[in-house]
Amino acid sequence: KAGVTQTPRYLIKTRGQQVTLSCSPISGHRSVSWYQQTPGQGLQFLFEYFSETQRNKGNFPGRFSGRQFSNSRSEMNVSTLELGDSALYLCASSSVGGSLQETQYFGPGTRLLVL
Amino acid sequence: AQSVTQLDSHVSVSEGTPVLLRCNYSSSYSPSLFWYVQHPNKGLQLLLKYTSAATLVKGINGFEAEFKKSETSFHLTKPSAHMSDAAEYFCVAQGNTGFQKLVFGTGTRLLVSP
Repeated sequence: KAGVTQTPRYLIKTRGQQVTLSCSPISGHRSVSWYQQTPGQGLQFLFEYFSETQRNKGNFPGRFSGRQFSNSRSEMNVSTLELGDSALYLCASSSVGGSLQETQYFGPGTRLLVL
Repeated sequence: AQSVTQLDSHVSVSEGTPVLLRCNYSSSYSPSLFWYVQHPNKGLQLLLKYTSAATLVKGINGFEAEFKKSETSFHLTKPSAHMSDAAEYFCVAQGNTGFQKLVFGTGTRLLVSP
């Protein structure tokens, strides 16, 4: 099976712009989670989607949003970009999404640079 | 709330010597615990996971970890380091709320010298 794929791999934006990142989970996986990785804050949970519904959300401002499509692909959007949004954004998928012990498999990430 | 503490930000070893990366967790219950590895400019790769079936967990590339409830620890070990092991390692906890949120440690960078 193909792994988790994320597009684009690299992005450069300027402050105030918005950006959309895409994640395609492993075939058959229904849960998609998003994480932000920065040198200062480490890895932080953004949100998780299962069957097109957001089930859990981290402590991020409303500028960060996401959605999931019927084929389980997910997008996240960041509006009104700030310099501090520069980070590696990682997407992870897991199979059922309801079990307590589902392993999450990560994509290679999208590196966003905000100038 | 659960938390994960990785006790060393950097660990340096010579090739062929043992590796020990330390992790302690804090939780009111026994969470699922994982070790992930991240090579430069790459995503996270699962090394191994603990889900209460066995306290000694074997993973890929010769790594293993032992869950010790009395010490709330989940240290990662490898008998003999290889140059390709140089990377950042994350100890991760997953709750039992039914959601997929992972709680990450701050990471340990493993340096391997020839």
